[in-house]
Amino acid sequence: KQEVTQIPAALSVPEGENLVLNCSFTDSAIYNLQWFRQDPGKGLTSLLLIQSSQREQTSGRLNASLDKSSGRSTLYIAASQPGDSATYLCAVRPGRDDKIIFGKGTRLHILP
Amino acid sequence: KAGVTQTPRYLIKTRGQQVTLSCSPISGHRSVSWYQQTPGQGLQFLFEYFSETQRNKGNFPGRFSGRQFSNSRSEMNVSTLELGDSALYLCASSILAGVAYNEQFFGPGTRLTVL
Repeated sequence: KQEVTQIPAALSVPEGENLVLNCSFTDSAIYNLQWFRQDPGKGLTSLLLIQSSQREQTSGRLNASLDKSSGRSTLYIAASQPGDSATYLCAVRPGRDDKIIFGKGTRLHILP
Repeated sequence: KAGVTQTPRYLIKTRGQQVTLSCSPISGHRSVSWYQQTPGQGLQFLFEYFSETQRNKGNFPGRFSGRQFSNSRSEMNVSTLELGDSALYLCASSILAGVAYNEQFFGPGTRLTVL
């Protein structure tokens, strides 16, 4: 049974720093992995989608990597800003038509 | 292009009542998924509909049900509400084709409070 873990549950860093958020999954056989951002009380915003055959995806200051063999994905945020403060969720889809499985998220606070 | 819309945004109900939530997907998206989010359990998958048929189902009691219409709009219904049903209910749509097959796009959610 696929399980998705995100550690730490919360993180505070000073503005301007580069940071890495971690996501681990127990079964390396996945179809894709998606990173989301959620602001308090709001819906989820899709940040990056990595297909099983890909190693990384980039969008602006964000870079997500995928290492299926070790069951890990990382989300790299460059030059963090207070507006990056949010909860970041990782979600794994085991098979093409399987239901998506979410981690519990990392709550990120960027200190001005 | 308009995003996923959910109505209503907020609901207050009492135990034993029933509730219906609505979701309109992004134009051209034919798959709609529903999720429940609570502080304790995080995001949990409820069900997914595609072309008016349920494709996947999570581990929720039969009080939770859904349906999809021919225009891809979806509704979910919760009968005999319990206090533990208080949550943010999120809807996501996706296009089951191409490179971004099944990439999920979420709506703002419906906040349900059961008193």
